[in-house]
Amino acid sequence: EDKVVQSPLSLVVHEGDTVTLNCSYEVTNFRSLLWYKQEKKAPTFLFMLTSSGIEKKSGRLSSILDKKELFSILNITATQTGDSAVYLCAPQADRGSTLGRLYFGRGTQLTVWP
Amino acid sequence: GAVVSQHPSWVICKSGTSVKIECRSLDFQATTMFWYRQFPKQSLMLMATSNEGSKATYEQGVEKDKFLINHASLTLSTLTVTSAHPEDSSFYICSATAQVTDTQYFGPGTRLTVL
Repeated sequence: EDKVVQSPLSLVVHEGDTVTLNCSYEVTNFRSLLWYKQEKKAPTFLFMLTSSGIEKKSGRLSSILDKKELFSILNITATQTGDSAVYLCAPQADRGSTLGRLYFGRGTQLTVWP
Repeated sequence: GAVVSQHPSWVICKSGTSVKIECRSLDFQATTMFWYRQFPKQSLMLMATSNEGSKATYEQGVEKDKFLINHASLTLSTLTVTSAHPEDSSFYICSATAQVTDTQYFGPGTRLTVL
């Protein structure tokens, strides 16, 4: 059975702290892994990772994938209150088998206090 | 960036009525669109996958006669909740896959409340 496990489920930090969010997965016909941020509404896209060991960066956020260990992390440095959200990790299957569907974990609820 | 819109953003209806939700990719063509449902404090649950011009593929436990999906063009998919009941009240979200990048972009969601 396909599975996505995110940890921690919940994290409370103060502004300026650095956080690391974890995602382990077991997905048949894995193609890539996507990270999303969800606030009040629908998820917004952060990163798409396809290759192992290549870090993707966007401002204070960065992410990396380990396809051998079936693991990804999302780092946020110098956190701000606006980073408070649920962060979702979503491995994607290849298009041939399931049209590229995403598998979602429960997400990590990040709360940043001022 | 890729934009996906949904309409309406919220809807309140009486039990027994049908509700149609539209999902559009505004600046890209989407061969495949996905429909999700999300209950409070829970993650997204995939309901169905739709390909333009063909029948949708429903996840186990999702009634295809209750949740009608039509994907008539490369930029539009619709979800119709037929004979809605209070237990159908939820947040419905669509996503569309950009053909070039294979990245899924989500619409803003539709909050359905059935009285």
